[in-house]
Amino acid sequence: DVKVTQSSRYLVKRTGEKVFLECVQDMDHENMFWYRQDPGLGLRLIYFSYDVKMKEKGDIPEGYSVSREKKERFSLILESASTNQTSMYLCASQSSGNTIYFGEGSWLTVV
Amino acid sequence: KNEVEQSPQNLTAQEGEFITINCSYSVGISALHWLQQHPGGGIVSLFMLSSGKKKHGRLIATINIQEKHSSLHITASHPRDSAVYICAVRGGNKLVFGAGTILRVKS
Repeated sequence: DVKVTQSSRYLVKRTGEKVFLECVQDMDHENMFWYRQDPGLGLRLIYFSYDVKMKEKGDIPEGYSVSREKKERFSLILESASTNQTSMYLCASQSSGNTIYFGEGSWLTVV
Repeated sequence: KNEVEQSPQNLTAQEGEFITINCSYSVGISALHWLQQHPGGGIVSLFMLSSGKKKHGRLIATINIQEKHSSLHITASHPRDSAVYICAVRGGNKLVFGAGTILRVKS
C-alpha cells in the first residue's frame, strides 16, 4: 500500500513563527504536491514538485516555500505564519499519469 | 465560472437509495479523478478515468469526453458512504478540483 505520511496532524503556531510541514511518501513517486483546503474554496494548489530539487508554483504560492532535497520528502515552509494561513494542508504524491495518493492532512491554526 | 463544477453541493439520501453525483468541466483534460474525503481530512482516490466507465463494488464512474461530463453513482447506499466526494480533472501536471459534494446517507 502506498503511504503518504504528514508528520503533524494538528499544530497551533503564533503569528510570525516559522512553520515546517513535512510529507514523506514511500513509493518512489516523482510528483508531490501541497494543497490547502478551506471551507467553500475546495483544494487549492500551493506548490508542486516533479523531481528532486525541482519545484513549481501552484495557484496560491504567496507566503509559502517548499523544499525537496530527497525524492521521498517534500516540505512546506511558512516563513512567517499569519492568521490567514490557518487551514488544513494536504500533501499528495503521484507517479506520472497514475492514481494520486493523499496524506491525512495537517490542521494548522495560527493565533 | 469554475473550471470544474459539481452538482449537487449537498445531498441527503435514505439508506439503500441510488445516488448520482455529477461533474462538468470546461477545460481539455487527460484524466478525471473521483475522490472521497471523510471527516478528519484524509482523501482517498476512488477512480481515475479517461474514457468510458469503471466499477468498483457499489461505485460506478462514467465519463463522456465529448460532453465534458462525468458521473459517480453509488448503488444501495449505506451510512458509511457519507463523505465529501470530489471531482478533479488533470490538465498537464496539475489537478483542478471541484468544490465537492457533501453526501449524507441516513439509516
